Amino acid sequence: AQSVTQLGSHVSVSEGALVLLRCNYSSSVPPYLFWYVQYPNQGLQLLLKYTSAATLVKGINGFEAEFKKSETSFHLTKPSAHMSDAAEYFCAVIFSGGYQKVTFGTGTKLQVIP
Amino acid sequence: DADVTQTPRNRITKTGKRIMLECSQTKGHDRMYWYRQDPGLGLRLIYYSFDVKDINKGEISDGYSVSRQAQAKFSLSLESAIPNQTALYFCATSDSSPGQGFGGELFFGEGSRLTVL
Repeated sequence: AQSVTQLGSHVSVSEGALVLLRCNYSSSVPPYLFWYVQYPNQGLQLLLKYTSAATLVKGINGFEAEFKKSETSFHLTKPSAHMSDAAEYFCAVIFSGGYQKVTFGTGTKLQVIP
Repeated sequence: DADVTQTPRNRITKTGKRIMLECSQTKGHDRMYWYRQDPGLGLRLIYYSFDVKDINKGEISDGYSVSRQAQAKFSLSLESAIPNQTALYFCATSDSSPGQGFGGELFFGEGSRLTVL
């Protein structure tokens, strides 16, 4: 079955440290991939998306993600965490043949420690 | 004003009551969605509509119904609310599939927090 998995429901990093949030999908055909961010008491907003152009995708606020077909992964990274990055991050996928519906991962809450 | 507006933002109700959550958008998008967010479960799709005459069930539609009154309005109803429907509900819109250029992005409202006692 097609699915999307985010490893780690909570991730803590120190301010200035590397942020790495993991996302893997299960599909034989590369899907369309997205990362969304949810700040407290707000809706989700798009960070970045992969739509079969470049495999390294740059998003807002210094985040980027790399699509790796061989690993069926789309991990989100940021070289240096800032306090304002504290939020919940969701990986989302549109699977081929999925009638263009978006499937979300379970989310990863990022805590940034001063 | 927000592009995707949800009302009410917060609602507390009792078991067995009928509840309607409303969503309106000014983005001009054809596609509208209702999601439910629960801690540790991410967002799960309840219903979606690709145009006014096209409404489809999502993965957790039992206990819910929807109405697409116009291109800009999509409401979610709980005919007889139960406590396990306590959740944060999001309306979202999108303009096209990702195969049509750079579409596929969802635009979210700020959410409606529903508590069923």
